[in-house]
Amino acid sequence: GDSVTQMEGPVTLSEEAFLTINCTYTATGYPSLFWYVQYPGEGLQLLLKATKADDKGSNKGFEATYRKETTSFHLEKGSVQVSDSAVYFCALSAGGTSYGKLTFGQGTILTVHP
Amino acid sequence: GAGVSQSPSNKVTEKGKDVELRCDPISGHTALYWYRQRLGQGLEFLIYFQGNSAPDKSGLPSDRFSAERTGESVSTLTIQRTQQEDSAVYLCASSPRAPSYEQYFGPGTRLTVT
Repeated sequence: GDSVTQMEGPVTLSEEAFLTINCTYTATGYPSLFWYVQYPGEGLQLLLKATKADDKGSNKGFEATYRKETTSFHLEKGSVQVSDSAVYFCALSAGGTSYGKLTFGQGTILTVHP
Repeated sequence: GAGVSQSPSNKVTEKGKDVELRCDPISGHTALYWYRQRLGQGLEFLIYFQGNSAPDKSGLPSDRFSAERTGESVSTLTIQRTQQEDSAVYLCASSPRAPSYEQYFGPGTRLTVT
């Protein structure tokens, strides 16, 4: 079945550091890929998406590129802020009749210190 | 506007008892989804409702789990004869159209079965 694997956390960085959170997936066909974020005390929300190979999703300074050859969708940000502290989830939607059913990774806790 | 709300926020129950978890989606959202997140794991899809169509129940783990939704309003997830392995955070999400990968999540209900 479909699955998503994220790098183990937690990740602790200083403000303005470079961030990478690795995500790889297993799926049949051509899934769409997403990063969701959960800020403290809030519900998960969509951060960015990519719906086909080589697409780059971006939002709030975060970027991720859909790499079909390596089945990866790593999240990056050039300079993190304290306000980026949250739990980040990589997810996929397999499409077809499974469109809308999201398969999530286990989440990565990011803590950014001033 | 108001987001997705869930109640209760926390529920502790004894093994063998039945529990009901409630989800109030964003007004006007036609699709509603339930997920489960066990400790240290990603979110698992349980069930989704799309308007008045038959729900997709493919993720329900056993016949002890059931869910209802009336029209495009409130949904209730019921777990009968709870077991310790049912302990998890149960998340509800809604989307303005279905199916959709852009889902708006509630804060979740933390269920603990003792």
